[in-house]
Amino acid sequence: SQQGEEDPQALSIQEGENATMNCSYKTSINNLQWYRQNSGRGLVHLILIRSNEREKHSGRLRVTLDTSKKSSSLLITASRAADTASYFCATPEGGGGNKLTFGTGTQLKVEL
Amino acid sequence: EAGVAQSPRYKIIEKRQSVAFWCNPISGHATLYWYQQILGQGPKLLIQFQNNGVVDDSQLPKDRFSAERLKGVDSTLKIQPAKLEDSAVYLCASSISSGGAGEQFFGPGTRLTVL
Repeated sequence: SQQGEEDPQALSIQEGENATMNCSYKTSINNLQWYRQNSGRGLVHLILIRSNEREKHSGRLRVTLDTSKKSSSLLITASRAADTASYFCATPEGGGGNKLTFGTGTQLKVEL
Repeated sequence: EAGVAQSPRYKIIEKRQSVAFWCNPISGHATLYWYQQILGQGPKLLIQFQNNGVVDDSQLPKDRFSAERLKGVDSTLKIQPAKLEDSAVYLCASSISSGGAGEQFFGPGTRLTVL
């Protein structure tokens, strides 16, 4: 079963613009992770936010977590063509340190 | 630090044939995962090993899929016999900690096409 669901499914923006993608999940969690997948490559971990954190930054990335709404958002500022990829949120199923369940992903395309 | 290695990168087989994938995790990572990623979907965990023991294989189709991790390092995933719906990318990942407690490091994947 899919724990996380990303929204939108696809997003197309111009280079330099900001990109926001959202993730909703179903059960309680102790952390939420975001991964990026470039075409034809494996996934790369971007950022992990714990359940007691509300916001976290890493370079041009900003992640928020609202446990009351069971949702998270990933903001990429000043996007670049190299940011073109699929972005997935992932949560430990069952709330604890159990298996990581990935969402369906948002396909981001950054055009020059 | 060397990443997670997988081979082969691509494999094309006929249905009912068998196929095996190999994974070498990052040195020192006790936990190893095999995921199946069907086109347009997120990765789905097939099996998780902690050292050489199975932690979770609840989504592994055991009638045709098998996996082992001898000596707690390298791992192989086998499909026998393959079906058309097994066409997917098979991703191997490893982590220092168990389950969803922390970051997982992924290999480049093996793209399997079943004809």
